[in-house]
Amino acid sequence: AQSVTQPDIHITVSEGASLELRCNYSYGATPYLFWYVQSPGQGLQLLLKYFSGDTLVQGIKGFEAEFKRSQSSFNLRKPSVHWSDAAEYFCAVGSANNAGNMLTFGGGTRLMVKP
Amino acid sequence: GAVVSQHPSRVICKSGTSVKIECRSLDFQATTMFWYRQFPKQSLMLMATSNEGSKATYEQGVEKDKFLINHASLTLSTLTVTSAHPEDSSFYICSARDQGMTGELFFGEGSRLTVL
Repeated sequence: AQSVTQPDIHITVSEGASLELRCNYSYGATPYLFWYVQSPGQGLQLLLKYFSGDTLVQGIKGFEAEFKRSQSSFNLRKPSVHWSDAAEYFCAVGSANNAGNMLTFGGGTRLMVKP
Repeated sequence: GAVVSQHPSRVICKSGTSVKIECRSLDFQATTMFWYRQFPKQSLMLMATSNEGSKATYEQGVEKDKFLINHASLTLSTLTVTSAHPEDSSFYICSARDQGMTGELFFGEGSRLTVL
């Protein structure tokens, strides 16, 4: 069975500082990996996804993530955080067998940004 | 990008009543939609896969008679919470995959159900 772990429940960074949100997954085959952002009371917005190819993927809003198969990780990074980035971030894994349709989500990391 | 819309965004109902939540793909067709449930400050848990023209597939532990799913058209899936109780209060989110795009799921904005 596939699973996703986001070790950090809360993270607080200062505006302008760099950010890294951790994600570790467990899946026996080739995973499809995703990062979503959720603002309070809202649905989810896709930040970026990895299916194959270049292990460093670029997303929207200046985010990027790196797939490291040896570490079973897909950490999300941003070089300079903006106050508007404060939100809940979810890492998710989907199976290549169903084109990533059925996603398993991590527990989420709540990002707070200090002025 | 593709848009998935849910309605209503918020609903409050009395215990014992039934509530219907709609999930629509506005500019694409979706043969498959997914319903998730999210408890406060927790992650999303897949409840069921809604298949157009056939029965939904429920995840283990989800009561199919409690959470009725109908996927009557390629752009609409509905989730009906029957005989709702306070423990059914939650944030329900649907998602749909654009058949024309590879692997991307689009999520609705969610529906917050509060059962009094």
